[in-house]
Amino acid sequence: GIQVEQSPPDLILQEGANSTLRCNFSDSVNNLQWFHQNPWGQLINLFYIPSGTKQNGRLSATTVATERYSLLYISSSQTTDSGVYFCAPRDNYGQNFVFGPGTRLSVLP
Amino acid sequence: GAVVSQHPSWVICKSGTSVKIECRSLDFQATTMFWYRQFPKQSLMLMATSNEGSKATYEQGVEKDKFLINHASLTLSTLTVTSAHPEDSSFYICSAESGRTYNEQFFGPGTRLTVL
Repeated sequence: GIQVEQSPPDLILQEGANSTLRCNFSDSVNNLQWFHQNPWGQLINLFYIPSGTKQNGRLSATTVATERYSLLYISSSQTTDSGVYFCAPRDNYGQNFVFGPGTRLSVLP
Repeated sequence: GAVVSQHPSWVICKSGTSVKIECRSLDFQATTMFWYRQFPKQSLMLMATSNEGSKATYEQGVEKDKFLINHASLTLSTLTVTSAHPEDSSFYICSAESGRTYNEQFFGPGTRLTVL
């Protein structure tokens, strides 16, 4: 099955800083989502982005499917951005999404 | 739109009892529902995929007799942990997928199970 890597594993930022989170995957994908898991465990959909670029407020994401990676940009970070960010691609052959190990983000006031 | 609920949000039970967790899509029909398990500070691990009206497909290593999944309707799936033991303690999360929204997954808030 598809292998997923995320980097960095941990990230500590001062409030107001920008960051880039990376997701690499081992096979062609027809679907990819980014999620934020808040401290209470709820997974929040950030982007559905199998290819191209999308923006939503301070967050944006880019997936380059041909090169098998996706990036999540967080600008002007806030303490409420803290939590774990997961990417979850789905390959062209499977029904299931495969979750990466996540990036744990801590934004300090 | 695209809200998924889970009930209960947390449960504590004695070893040997069975626990049922419900997952509902509140404002859309879910063609497929997924059940995940998450240990502390780890990623989500897919346990099984269920389609309405058919048997669930379990991932390798997941005991189907231990984790019973029933997808009775397009808005409800249940996970029953049978004869629970302390090692079954975990955070269980369901998700639902709607074909209307390009097969995007939407997650429930999770159920924290503690088996004493």
